[in-house]
Amino acid sequence: NAGVTQTPKFQVLKTGQSMTLQCAQDMNHNSMYWYRQDPGMGLRLIYYSASEGTTDKGEVPNGYNVSRLNKREFSLRLESAAPSQTSVYFCASSPRQAEAFFGQGTRLTVV
Amino acid sequence: AQSVSQHNHHVILSEAASLELGCNYSYGGTVNLFWYVQYPGQHLQLLLKYFSGDPLVKGIKGFEAEFIKSKFSFNLRKPSVQWSDTAEYFCAVIKSSGDKLTFGTGTRLAVRP
Repeated sequence: NAGVTQTPKFQVLKTGQSMTLQCAQDMNHNSMYWYRQDPGMGLRLIYYSASEGTTDKGEVPNGYNVSRLNKREFSLRLESAAPSQTSVYFCASSPRQAEAFFGQGTRLTVV
Repeated sequence: AQSVSQHNHHVILSEAASLELGCNYSYGGTVNLFWYVQYPGQHLQLLLKYFSGDPLVKGIKGFEAEFIKSKFSFNLRKPSVQWSDTAEYFCAVIKSSGDKLTFGTGTRLAVRP
């Protein structure tokens, strides 16, 4: 019973490099989310997708892009990483307006 | 825009003490409310949720929360905390007709044995 799977778990990038964080869920959920977690700031929503083919900006979308490839997968891309993007990233999925289920997180360090 | 406030950033309690963590939200319409817990080094897990009905909801591990619509609040309570409750607690809200799940900044709870 996999739930929400995120890859990679850890990543170190140099400033200016790009990367894509992958997320997949096997619960047939419509909604998917990307959050970043920073000390003292809680979880801040980067982007979300209410259904396949739709994406919307959250609170902190600058520097990120997303793709809802299909109902299962929702990827987050950093085109040109900056030290300010050092964070722990969580993907989540949910049935609409219901509780979210979280992945294990990706710890990203940008040097 | 909807927002969630958690006024207690850090709470330190001794074992067996009672716990109450505050959560207030800003949206005036119908909402669904959640409390999540994050143990050190782990991802968020659902403690309890409120959609409608009895405003006093019970969750896992002896936690409960009360929805007070007039105060836009959804406070988390536990009568007697244990050392194993040491964690960070997050309140979250989503509009009943919406798609955006918004979290508060979290409350870090430390329970002394």
